Amino acid sequence: NAGVMQNPRHLVRRRGQEARLRCSPMKGHSHVYWYRQLPEEGLKFMVYLQKENIIDESGMPKERFSAEFPKEGPSILRIQQVVRGDSAAYFCASSPLGLDTEAFFGQGTRLTVV
Amino acid sequence: GESVGLHLPTLSVQEGDNSIINCAYSNSASDYFIWYKQESGKGPQFIIDIRSNMDKRQGQRVTVLLNKTVKHLSLQIAATQPGDSAVYFCAETGAGGTSYGKLTFGQGTILTVHP
Repeated sequence: NAGVMQNPRHLVRRRGQEARLRCSPMKGHSHVYWYRQLPEEGLKFMVYLQKENIIDESGMPKERFSAEFPKEGPSILRIQQVVRGDSAAYFCASSPLGLDTEAFFGQGTRLTVV
Repeated sequence: GESVGLHLPTLSVQEGDNSIINCAYSNSASDYFIWYKQESGKGPQFIIDIRSNMDKRQGQRVTVLLNKTVKHLSLQIAATQPGDSAVYFCAETGAGGTSYGKLTFGQGTILTVHP
């Protein structure tokens, strides 16, 4: 059973470009969470999605960031017009149920904005 | 806002020693606590969890202690090995009704094990 798969592992974008980060949850998991980790800091919650629904986006910046989890295919975290401050590691986690279950993390996508 | 924090940012131990990593949390209504291990360039890896109705839980070589009175959480690693070197995070979920996937992480403690 493959774990949570994120790609790409490393992504370099110039300021003003768009970044698309993909996350395929573990088989059987319908709940996905995105986190951001700045260097030498803990992970910060961004958004919680179920298939075709955003459940909690309280950690998402108000502008330029969006997330989706379509009925088919991976969850996508999209960052428009990237700035240097967006450089970070972005982690996706998945769980089979929203409540009372452990979330499993992927290996992350390291975004570098130059 | 609510936060989870760690007392010690770094910890160096000799191989074979026991390690204790501490964590303070501020949300007294937190239901569930988890310790994660993160190696360089990798995602967080679940180590052990504990619910708020427990004060101790043991795993293989690891023990988590929860003191709700002082809102303190600790991770004990027995017979620490070089492979245990990593950053350790405590994390907590909110009160009942909050998704367990929505976690508040502490800053992290760097554990270095010397052979």
